Amino acid sequence: DGGITQSPKYLFRKEGQNVTLSCEQNLNHDAMYWYRQDPGQGLRLIYYSQIVNDFQKGDIAEGYSVSREKKESFPLTVTSAQKNPTAFYLCASTPPGGRGMNTEAFFGQGTRLTVV
Amino acid sequence: KNEVEQSPQNLTAQEGEFITINCSYSVGISALHWLQQHPGGGIVSLFMLSSGKKKHGRLIATINIQEKHSSLHITASHPRDSAVYICAPPCTPEWYGNKLVFGAGTILRVKS
Repeated sequence: DGGITQSPKYLFRKEGQNVTLSCEQNLNHDAMYWYRQDPGQGLRLIYYSQIVNDFQKGDIAEGYSVSREKKESFPLTVTSAQKNPTAFYLCASTPPGGRGMNTEAFFGQGTRLTVV
Repeated sequence: KNEVEQSPQNLTAQEGEFITINCSYSVGISALHWLQQHPGGGIVSLFMLSSGKKKHGRLIATINIQEKHSSLHITASHPRDSAVYICAPPCTPEWYGNKLVFGAGTILRVKS
């Protein structure tokens, strides 16, 4: 079955270390997204990519980096520059859609990152 | 200005009650997702709907595209329905593809 796989589900890192979160999809979707969620808060967009080798900053991109070398993969690196990296991270994907087209989004299970 | 407004933010209900969560949005052309997030974080897609009404078990979702409003109803609520419910209308940029935005979520607690 097609879907999105995020790994790991829980991740612990020491302060000052970079960490990369994995997101893989086998849905042949062009668009992929990374969101961050803090306790009691809504999901906020970090980065998104509409096509391979292209990505755009979202609302809270500072301290994060991404790559999109393959359609299936959109890894997110939380760098040491991110001041408050402890959060829940969610990856999503959608097929391409133009005006008037309905698109169904698919979501990973999320990665809960704790920096100690 | 928030692109997506959900209400209420918090909701406590007694088991068996009928529950309604509302979502109003200012972006998006068509279709809207309702998502469920249980404690522990995993997100499940409940519905994607672009018109009318969809029903799945005790969950019913309705949408009015012209008014940019959707509601999620839970009939005969149960403690296992306790979760955060999030609406997500896609917004379409000028070029192809959709950029998802999310409501802040409604925290539902159903007491037995």
